[in-house]
Amino acid sequence: IAGITQAPTSQILAAGRRMTLRCTQDMRHNAMYWYRQDLGLGLRLIHYSNTAGTTGKGEVPDGYSVSRANTDDFPLTLASAVPSQTSVYFCASSDDGGAIDEQFFGPGTRLTVL
Amino acid sequence: AQKITQTQPGMFVQEKEAVTLDCTYDTSDPSYGLFWYKQPSSGEMIFLIYQGSYDQQNATEGRYSLNFQKARKSANLVISASQLGDSAMYFCAMRENSGYSTLTFGKGTMLLVSP
Repeated sequence: IAGITQAPTSQILAAGRRMTLRCTQDMRHNAMYWYRQDLGLGLRLIHYSNTAGTTGKGEVPDGYSVSRANTDDFPLTLASAVPSQTSVYFCASSDDGGAIDEQFFGPGTRLTVL
Repeated sequence: AQKITQTQPGMFVQEKEAVTLDCTYDTSDPSYGLFWYKQPSSGEMIFLIYQGSYDQQNATEGRYSLNFQKARKSANLVISASQLGDSAMYFCAMRENSGYSTLTFGKGTMLLVSP
């Protein structure tokens, strides 16, 4: 089934540790996105990539980095996790040029930083 | 200033009734798109409906319709004949077409449908 996969599903992490959240899509979408969802705040954009090889900063990029080596993968790295990064992380992709260009979301990763 | 405002943290509706979820937006971009997503308790984000700023007619998708009032900058979601399975969090989002294809989300409205 085509779509977006994220790994891990959930993770408990000690503060100060490095963590990479994985995201893979098989829809050959050009654009990919990382959001965090916090209660009462909705979804906020962390980083995005319009095409392989390019990335951009969203609303809340501090403490996170991304790379886009190919079309399918868009990993999100927390170099040194802090408790305020406890959140649910969603990866999304879009055709970026389609008629509507809606974003398709992965199932999310629940991250707890202690 | 918030670009997307959803003023109803929670809404209650009885099964088979219609319900309107409010969304107002703020942009100076003449070309933009408005989206509604549903997030059930299982957590996945489900795209429901889209309205382009130049669309002449209100968007409809099955039981979902979008009441688009451009001058008021509002894009309310109307769910007709509510079902128990409609209980979920609903997010309004906007894409401003002058920039990159990123979405700005509102904080969401929790809808509970009772029997």
